[in-house]
Amino acid sequence: EVQLLESGGGLVQPGGSLRLSCAASGFTFNNYAMSWVRQAPGKGLEWVSAISGSGGSTYFADSVKGRFIISRDSSKNTVYLQMNSLRAEDTAVYYCATPGVLVAARFDYWGQGTLVTVSS
Amino acid sequence: EIVMTQSPATLSVSPGERATLSCRASQSVGDNLAWYQQKPGQAPRLLIYGASTRATGIPARFSGSGSGTEFTLTVSSLQSEDFAVYFCHQYNNWPPAFGQGTKVEI
Repeated sequence: EVQLLESGGGLVQPGGSLRLSCAASGFTFNNYAMSWVRQAPGKGLEWVSAISGSGGSTYFADSVKGRFIISRDSSKNTVYLQMNSLRAEDTAVYYCATPGVLVAARFDYWGQGTLVTVSS
Repeated sequence: EIVMTQSPATLSVSPGERATLSCRASQSVGDNLAWYQQKPGQAPRLLIYGASTRATGIPARFSGSGSGTEFTLTVSSLQSEDFAVYFCHQYNNWPPAFGQGTKVEI
């Protein structure tokens, strides 16, 4: 059974940093691309970032480019999202999801999400 | 960037009735279109991919159609567990983009 478990969310002040983790199980992690998708309170879904299965290619939405870093650790079957220079508009539930082997594909599996609140 | 527009924003339907949700892309996405269902406090769940293929375990009352720029999700006979928010998602062009959602309410 595929499982994605996010952690690391919380309350952070504007300008601060936070690192989210997503632990994966139930599939061959190294073969699968991973993405982060966020949802602001009461709003729709916004794709944030993606990383290829090898980790050699990374992608970011314009809204987070230059502030967020995505990485993965195959020894821990975990993908990370390092969020820097956080703004109020980054407040959202952050989901990790996998589109499978391809970076651009439907999201078959989602984690339960972790809430990030940016506020003073 | 492709913009995905869903209509209506809210759809009021009675149990047992048919629900028809629309999704329009600002440019062609071929058939690289997925639909998700989201209930309060839960993650989205994949319903349809490739515009018309049901994901594993999805009941036959859910069907998808369309290609290019116009897509439809139909729920043939709404059950109580189908009242939720539905999102479309294009994965043909980069970056991936979601519609703003349609809430299906009683």
